Amino acid sequence: DQQVKQNSPSLSVQEGRISILNCDYTNSMFDYFLWYKKYPAEGPTFLISISSIKDKNEDGRFTVFLNKSAKHLSLHIVPSQPGDSAVYFCAASARKSSGDKLTFGTGTRLAVRP
Amino acid sequence: EAGVAQSPRYKIIEKRQSVAFWCNPISGHATLYWYQQILGQGPKLLIQFQNNGVVDDSQLPKDRFSAERLKGVDSTLKIQPAKLEDSAVYLCASSLPPVPGDIQYFGAGTRLSVL
Repeated sequence: DQQVKQNSPSLSVQEGRISILNCDYTNSMFDYFLWYKKYPAEGPTFLISISSIKDKNEDGRFTVFLNKSAKHLSLHIVPSQPGDSAVYFCAASARKSSGDKLTFGTGTRLAVRP
Repeated sequence: EAGVAQSPRYKIIEKRQSVAFWCNPISGHATLYWYQQILGQGPKLLIQFQNNGVVDDSQLPKDRFSAERLKGVDSTLKIQPAKLEDSAVYLCASSLPPVPGDIQYFGAGTRLSVL
């Protein structure tokens, strides 16, 4: 049972435009969400997070939106840069019940074209 | 600040052989995690340690996988005997004690190929 889903395995965007990566979840106990970025031959690195008490969190070019009623979150990157080309993983945790155990999605490969 | 160190980076073995992976977390990080990432999938938690005690090993195949964290610092993950389906990247991560907003920091992983 895939509790965190990233239905788009890949996304291609022109440099300077907006990249939107989507993530859906099924477990209503999830209360904390994170995005990780992964370059080839490296481990995932933390990008941005959001608590379920918020609906938006922004950090520079990166903004995460959370829609709890739809069990959906999205990562916006504006403007996109070639260095953003990587695999992006959505992750979720149910902190009140399961601590900081993370459940990851399958990832979306972003390619930013110069 | 040094990151999470893992070794070896790559390992090729035949099925039924045994293999061990090593992880050194970020200094001061009490929590250590081992994840398995199969090609095309996201990382899946195998085991979580808090200092040298196991917090969660519900997804660890205990008939063949074992892990230990002696003295609450370094950790080793062992597979014995390996199966073809164990081919994956094994990621180690560490974090400070669980508090709201704490982040897991990942090592580069060990890529295991079982032939």
